[in-house]
Amino acid sequence: DAMVIQNPRYQVTQFGKPVTLSCSQTLNHNVMYWYQQKSSQAPKLLFHYYDKDFNNEADTPDNFQSRRPNTSFCFLDIRSPGLGDAAMYLCATSAGTDSNQPQHFGDGTRLSIL
Amino acid sequence: EDKVVQSPLSLVVHEGDTVTLNCSYEVTNFRSLLWYKQEKKAPTFLFMLTSSGIEKKSGRLSSILDKKELFSILNITATQTGDSAIYLCAANAGNNRKLIWGLGTSLAVNP
Repeated sequence: DAMVIQNPRYQVTQFGKPVTLSCSQTLNHNVMYWYQQKSSQAPKLLFHYYDKDFNNEADTPDNFQSRRPNTSFCFLDIRSPGLGDAAMYLCATSAGTDSNQPQHFGDGTRLSIL
Repeated sequence: EDKVVQSPLSLVVHEGDTVTLNCSYEVTNFRSLLWYKQEKKAPTFLFMLTSSGIEKKSGRLSSILDKKELFSILNITATQTGDSAIYLCAANAGNNRKLIWGLGTSLAVNP
């Protein structure tokens, strides 16, 4: 089945130690998104790629970076995680031919900071 | 400012009950409204609504959009414990592929 896959499901890192979360998709969707979701809150968009075009949200901290080496893969890099970065990180994709398309999510990576 | 408001924030029902979840929106350049179900992991897509008055149905779940009054409802009939989840509503605004999210309704279905 075509899907969005996030690895790992759970990630533990130390305060200040860089961490990378990965997302892959078999849907061949043009658009890939990264969200941060904290407990009892709605997902918060960090950035998205339309093909290779990177679109950063104005309030996304510089600590968060992303790479999309090809259509299938997208990475979220947190350069110096702080305690406030502990959250669920969600990757989603959508077909880019029309901006009015549903987003399909992976299972998420739950990040803990020690 | 664009916003999506869901009500109630939480709901507890018994198996077999019917529930109605509400979502209202104020969004410029509105294009569609989406419903997602979120259990302990990522949101699962349920419905996308673009036209008023046309009900979308999937099993015991159905949803409808009113673009005049700017709201949508999600109905779940004959609820089961497996329906326990957070139900998120989001509006697609404009051409920037971004979703405006509500805070969700937390539904608990007790046996």
